Amino acid sequence: GNSVTQMEGPVTLSEEAFLTINCTYTATGYPSLFWYVQYPGEGLQLLLKATKADDKGSNKGFEATYRKETTSFHLEKGSVQVSDSAVYFCALSDRAGNMLTFGGGTRLMVKP
Amino acid sequence: NAGVTQTPKFQVLKTGQSMTLQCAQDMNHNSMYWYRQDPGMGLRLIYYSASEGTTDKGEVPNGYNVSRLNKREFSLRLESAAPSQTSVYFCASSGGDRSDQPQHFGDGTRLSIL
Repeated sequence: GNSVTQMEGPVTLSEEAFLTINCTYTATGYPSLFWYVQYPGEGLQLLLKATKADDKGSNKGFEATYRKETTSFHLEKGSVQVSDSAVYFCALSDRAGNMLTFGGGTRLMVKP
Repeated sequence: NAGVTQTPKFQVLKTGQSMTLQCAQDMNHNSMYWYRQDPGMGLRLIYYSASEGTTDKGEVPNGYNVSRLNKREFSLRLESAAPSQTSVYFCASSGGDRSDQPQHFGDGTRLSIL
């Protein structure tokens, strides 16, 4: 079956530091890949997505590239802000029925 | 723009009590989902509904039932609550069954079972 593995947190960074959160996946076929963000007390919000190999998703300074050869979709941001503190989830969508499989989530804490 | 609305936001139950969690979306989406979120485990799918009138089991359906009341509403029922069902429950919706369509989430229901 499908699975998503992402680095365990928490990840603690200083403001303006470079961020990488690793995500690898196992799936049959060609899934779509997503990053969702969850701020405290809220639901998940779509951050970015990529639907085919070599696609780059980007939003709010975050980027992730769909790497089929390494089955990875690592999240990066060049300069994090305190407001980026949240839990980040990597997910994939099965081609049939739009079923999402989530990783365990990575908590990011950014200190001023 | 309400999006996906869940009620209640918080609830405390005693073991054996029953409860229905409500979810409504105003985006005219066909598909709706119920997830539970437990620490370190991401979100796990309980049930989903690909269209009005249909429901299917997800990864962890035991102890739950669902009803797709109409296109807007999708409820989750716990018939006899157990402490293992203490969790945060999220409802989501999406426009269809294409894999590239993102899901839109409500703010969650925090449920504690004593």
